[in-house]
Amino acid sequence: LAKTTQPISMDSYEGQEVNITCSHNNIATNDYITWYQQFPSQGPRFIIQGYKTKVTNEVASLFIPADRKSSTLSLPRVSLSDTAVYYCLVGDWYGTDKLIFGTGTRLQVFP
Amino acid sequence: DTAVSQTPKYLVTQMGNDKSIKCEQNLGHDTMYWYKQDSKKFLKIMFSYNNKELIINETVPNRFSPKSPDKAHLNLHINSLELGDSAVYFCASSQGQRNSPLHFGNGTRLTVT
Repeated sequence: LAKTTQPISMDSYEGQEVNITCSHNNIATNDYITWYQQFPSQGPRFIIQGYKTKVTNEVASLFIPADRKSSTLSLPRVSLSDTAVYYCLVGDWYGTDKLIFGTGTRLQVFP
Repeated sequence: DTAVSQTPKYLVTQMGNDKSIKCEQNLGHDTMYWYKQDSKKFLKIMFSYNNKELIINETVPNRFSPKSPDKAHLNLHINSLELGDSAVYFCASSQGQRNSPLHFGNGTRLTVT
């Protein structure tokens, strides 16, 4: 079973910032948090990964509070092409938890 | 250049047949995986190979047999196909060390009639 809980779905409009929160109350000390994006008829694609505080790349930002029991993926100014399913995974370097996908969050962006 | 490629993209076959799906990665990764995504879109790991050795084998029927001729290839052979095997099968790879992210292929949609 996945160690994470996410909202099943979210709606947004183009140009808005979208924040998707993932709960991982049982995160272990050595666990990293990794987010993937999946478009229809494609395999999941890595977006961002972090351990604590904030990580930013050209696609998204990842906010992780001090207790690490949750994390928030932030997508700035979404477009229609950001409509996809977003998965949050947690796990350490050597275990198999990092390979377990939960139900994900289906983001629908409207014009 | 395609990083993780799977063939075929679509596979339609009848119950009882045996079929294979091929996967190749050109990323130089040492670990490869097979995932199954069912009609409800749940992604479940099936197998993982590291340097041609099986390291993860989830509760998958033994009709499914992965084969890794080298660390760049991981093929999936399925015997005696059943209706419930219909799904999208994804191959993925990663660098086994540290927390390297997974790189997925675009899937093989298997339909068993």
